[in-house]
Amino acid sequence: RKEVEQDPGPFNVPEGATVAFNCTYSNSASQSFFWYRQDCRKEPKLLMSVYSSGNEDGRFTAQLNRASQYISLLIRDSKLSDSATYLCVTLGGGFKTIFGAGTRLFVKA
Amino acid sequence: GAGVSQSPSNKVTEKGKDVELRCDPISGHTALYWYRQRLGQGLEFLIYFQGNSAPDKSGLPSDRFSAERTGESVSTLTIQRTQQEDSAVYLCASSLAILLYNEQFFGPGTRLTVL
Repeated sequence: RKEVEQDPGPFNVPEGATVAFNCTYSNSASQSFFWYRQDCRKEPKLLMSVYSSGNEDGRFTAQLNRASQYISLLIRDSKLSDSATYLCVTLGGGFKTIFGAGTRLFVKA
Repeated sequence: GAGVSQSPSNKVTEKGKDVELRCDPISGHTALYWYRQRLGQGLEFLIYFQGNSAPDKSGLPSDRFSAERTGESVSTLTIQRTQQEDSAVYLCASSLAILLYNEQFFGPGTRLTVL
């Protein structure tokens, strides 16, 4: 079983749609959580950190459920520029960073 | 300011040769990370440095892989006796420190092709 699992997608949505991604992690000792974004053939970039209380950044909302060991990302009012691969990331014991394989999103006009 | 840089950007080598990949982190970043990303797959964590020290080398795929960092700056990832399965993009990242919520800044990667 992978330490971080994501639905690979692809998710194909029209502009303006709301889309949600989930991610599950297996290491209960994981200490911090993130969503990164990776455009095709580019390096990953931090989208947002995920805090226990949940957090929002504009159109993006992240939630953490430690009891069920899953993390979610909600994107409202999708834009064409949101098309990318979204990577779920956990920081485990010893600061080992674990990336999920990513969920691909295509936003269409 | 300058971001993370990696060299070479592309490397083609023959099976059995040794290769050295270089990473220049953002100035002042004490933490440095190496990842491998095979085509169409996610990032595979290899190793991280806190200063010049690598506390955990268990992520390195085999004893053909080694990494070092000097002067809390440049790091090199060395792959000896390369195999075709080593073909991948090798990504380096740095962060200000090793803390729970530090952003990792990635370089553009080195695309390694082993023929």
